[in-house]
Amino acid sequence: DAGVIQSPRHEVTEMGQEVTLRCKPISGHDYLFWYRQTMMRGLELLIYFNNNVPIDDSGMPEDRFSAKMPNASFSTLKIQPSEPRDSAVYFCASTRTSGGHNEQFFGPGTRLTVL
Amino acid sequence: SQQGEEDPQALSIQEGENATMNCSYKTSINNLQWYRQNSGRGLVHLILIRSNEREKHSGRLRVTLDTSKKSSSLLITASRAADTASYFCATDASGANSKLTFGKGITLSVRP
Repeated sequence: DAGVIQSPRHEVTEMGQEVTLRCKPISGHDYLFWYRQTMMRGLELLIYFNNNVPIDDSGMPEDRFSAKMPNASFSTLKIQPSEPRDSAVYFCASTRTSGGHNEQFFGPGTRLTVL
Repeated sequence: SQQGEEDPQALSIQEGENATMNCSYKTSINNLQWYRQNSGRGLVHLILIRSNEREKHSGRLRVTLDTSKKSSSLLITASRAADTASYFCATDASGANSKLTFGKGITLSVRP
């Protein structure tokens, strides 16, 4: 398996622009997580899905952030409009809960810079 | 505040020495996991220990769990320069639907 795939790997945009981050989870995994990582705040859980349904979006910082999972193999995280404080590395992770083992598999991340 | 709090925040050791990292947490857990993150990469799962286990080994890794103290330790024996990375503990709180809560991480530097 190719693992969790994220695109783009790097994104540089200007304040006010729309940003869309993409994730393909590992086939057969039924949970998908979006995280944001910064030096100041560490790794923050933004939202997660189970079987394509959003379960908990309490970590989404503002209405400017939205996430969708239209099918089991694809998810997007959208920021509109983007702001400089959104600059961070965004990770997608997936897992399959089986036998009490729920280790998460992370993608390589998208490094977002908002100028 | 974070569920998992690691200490120390940074650790620098010589190649061949052992590295011990600690994690404390606040609520009841199903399991506790340790992850490694190399610079510029995503997190990689290292080891999982369930709440009814006290110690687990995997290669050069040894993890302990003390649920009475709500703490865990990760020991890396005979460290190598390639072990240089950030290490995170993550807790799976009971009934949390696979959600993990990560600590802020420990930066380990292994000097050749």
